[in-house]
Amino acid sequence: DQQVKQNSPSLSVQEGRISILNCDYTNSMFDYFLWYKKYPAEGPTFLISISSIKDKNEDGRFTVFLNKSAKHLSLHIVPSQPGDSAVYFCAASGLYNQGGKLIFGQGTELSVKP
Amino acid sequence: DVKVTQSSRYLVKRTGEKVFLECVQDMDHENMFWYRQDPGLGLRLIYFSYDVKMKEKGDIPEGYSVSREKKERFSLILESASTNQTSMYLCASSLLRTEAFFGQGTRLTVV
Repeated sequence: DQQVKQNSPSLSVQEGRISILNCDYTNSMFDYFLWYKKYPAEGPTFLISISSIKDKNEDGRFTVFLNKSAKHLSLHIVPSQPGDSAVYFCAASGLYNQGGKLIFGQGTELSVKP
Repeated sequence: DVKVTQSSRYLVKRTGEKVFLECVQDMDHENMFWYRQDPGLGLRLIYFSYDVKMKEKGDIPEGYSVSREKKERFSLILESASTNQTSMYLCASSLLRTEAFFGQGTRLTVV
């Protein structure tokens, strides 16, 4: 049972435009969410996180939005740059029933075209 | 800077071999994780350890075991390697309730 889902395997965006990556989760006990970026043949690198007590967190060009009622989060990248081309994973954890476990989605491959 | 080091970038092993993947972190993190990454399936949790000698099964523990004798080291063991265990293996570590830091990954091929 996939608790964290990224339903779009790929996304193509023009340089300078907004990229929106989506993620849905099923476990209402998740209370901490993260986004990671991964290049081929490298480990994932942390981008941005959000706690369930917030609905938005911003860091430079990256903003994560959390809609708890819909169990949905999204990552906005504005403006998109060719160097943003990578696979993006969302992840979730819940202190009270998951301990420190971090559960990942399937990933979305973002391609930013010049 | 946090450093998570996996012992090998690439490994080729034969079916039936016992395989050890080693991971070391240098930041005194309580949590350590082993994931495998396969196309279309994302990162799937194999095992998780929240303290020395403590472990929990993840979503796909079958065919794997782990060892954490020291806080900084978390080993993944493939008891009898099979071709369906060909994958990218990723180790990570974290403090409780913070982001996890990943190693560079080990591309394992079982022939």
